[in-house]
Amino acid sequence: SQKIEQNSEALNIQEGKTATLTCNYTNYSPAYLQWYRQDPGRGPVFLLLIRENEKEKRKERLKVTFDTTLKQSLFHITASQPADSATYLCALDMNRYNFNKFYFGSGTKLNVKP
Amino acid sequence: EAGVTQFPSHSVIEKGQTVTLRCDPISGHDNLYWYRRVMGKEIKFLLHFVKESKQDESGMPNNRFLAERTGGTYSTLKVQPAELEDSGVYFCASSYAPGYEQYFGPGTRLTVT
Repeated sequence: SQKIEQNSEALNIQEGKTATLTCNYTNYSPAYLQWYRQDPGRGPVFLLLIRENEKEKRKERLKVTFDTTLKQSLFHITASQPADSATYLCALDMNRYNFNKFYFGSGTKLNVKP
Repeated sequence: EAGVTQFPSHSVIEKGQTVTLRCDPISGHDNLYWYRRVMGKEIKFLLHFVKESKQDESGMPNNRFLAERTGGTYSTLKVQPAELEDSGVYFCASSYAPGYEQYFGPGTRLTVT
């Protein structure tokens, strides 16, 4: 089955720096990949979706890359702020022909210090 | 616009009891999903509805779990009888169509003692 790896250790960075989170996957190649943000006691909140034929996607201070050769996605937050502190999850479709089921990674906790 | 709502937010029951979780999706979203996060693990897919029809229930753990979506609006997930390993956070999500972003509810934290 599909395996998704996100760094289980928290990422601690200083306000204003760029945070980079990694999502690696094995086995089959997904048609697209999503990133979510989750705060304690809340459900995941959708941030960005990137398709396999897209190398990069941007939204305000967020940027996602998708390298299907390396089987890796990188999630960047530029000019990070303490309010960006949260757990960030990546999710892959489980079936290239069925965009309804997703594998989720365990998430990486980001701490932005003022 | 109201988001996805779930009820209750917390539920503590004893092993062997029955619990019913409810999810109200965003109005107009035909697609409704149930997920579960067991302590220390990743979020896992349970099942998917399109309107009132179950499209995929391959993630349901066993036949103690029953999901319904009568009328294609809200959905319920019943666990009967509950076991200790059923403890976790149950999330509901809805989307306009497959491939569109999914909006998650706040989750129901279920504790089976």
